[in-house]
Amino acid sequence: DAGVIQSPRHEVTEMGQEVTLRCKPISGHNSLFWYRQTMMRGLELLIYFNNNVPIDDSGMPEDRFSAKMPNASFSTLKIQPSEPRDSAVYFCASSNGRWNSPLHFGNGTRLTVT
Amino acid sequence: AQKITQTQPGMFVQEKEAVTLDCTYDTSDQSYGLFWYKQPSSGEMIFLIYQGSYDEQNATEGRYSLNFQKARKSANLVISASQLGDSAMYFCAMREVFSGGYNKLIFGAGTRLAVHP
Repeated sequence: DAGVIQSPRHEVTEMGQEVTLRCKPISGHNSLFWYRQTMMRGLELLIYFNNNVPIDDSGMPEDRFSAKMPNASFSTLKIQPSEPRDSAVYFCASSNGRWNSPLHFGNGTRLTVT
Repeated sequence: AQKITQTQPGMFVQEKEAVTLDCTYDTSDQSYGLFWYKQPSSGEMIFLIYQGSYDEQNATEGRYSLNFQKARKSANLVISASQLGDSAMYFCAMREVFSGGYNKLIFGAGTRLAVHP
């Protein structure tokens, strides 16, 4: 059974460029989360989808960040324009929404903005 | 306000010994869930163990057990018979309910565990 799949694994880009991170959740999971991990701030929740609908985007740092979930099997996180302070590991996670169910994480995308 | 507190930035333990990683939490909810994750140097997040607030028994999963003290709002992870492969970052997380009945997981800052041979 495939887990959460993220692409790319690594992304290096120059400041000002658009970056798109992709996520395929586990089939049958109805909740999808995007987290960002940095040394300074730890694991931060950016946005949460339930049944493809954004429920809580209060963690999205600013308007340069946007996320979509056009269907149950695909989500994107876009940064436009990117800045060096966006450098981090971005995780996508999914769950079946049950109270006692863990989040299943993808392997993350390590983003470096120069 | 910090919801999940992990007071030990780093811990070390001798191989084959037991180690306890601390986690305290803050919530006014009666119903909540607590999770522990392991993040090895390769970077993936691995789910270890879950404890529900109404669970009467402490959760156990193999060498992992959770010392759940509800009145103290603590959910410490105990790793028995440590192995070199246990060296990793460990995160405590709490499932938090917000408006509309939805829930999300918030994480502590983590504890880095080093197992010495």
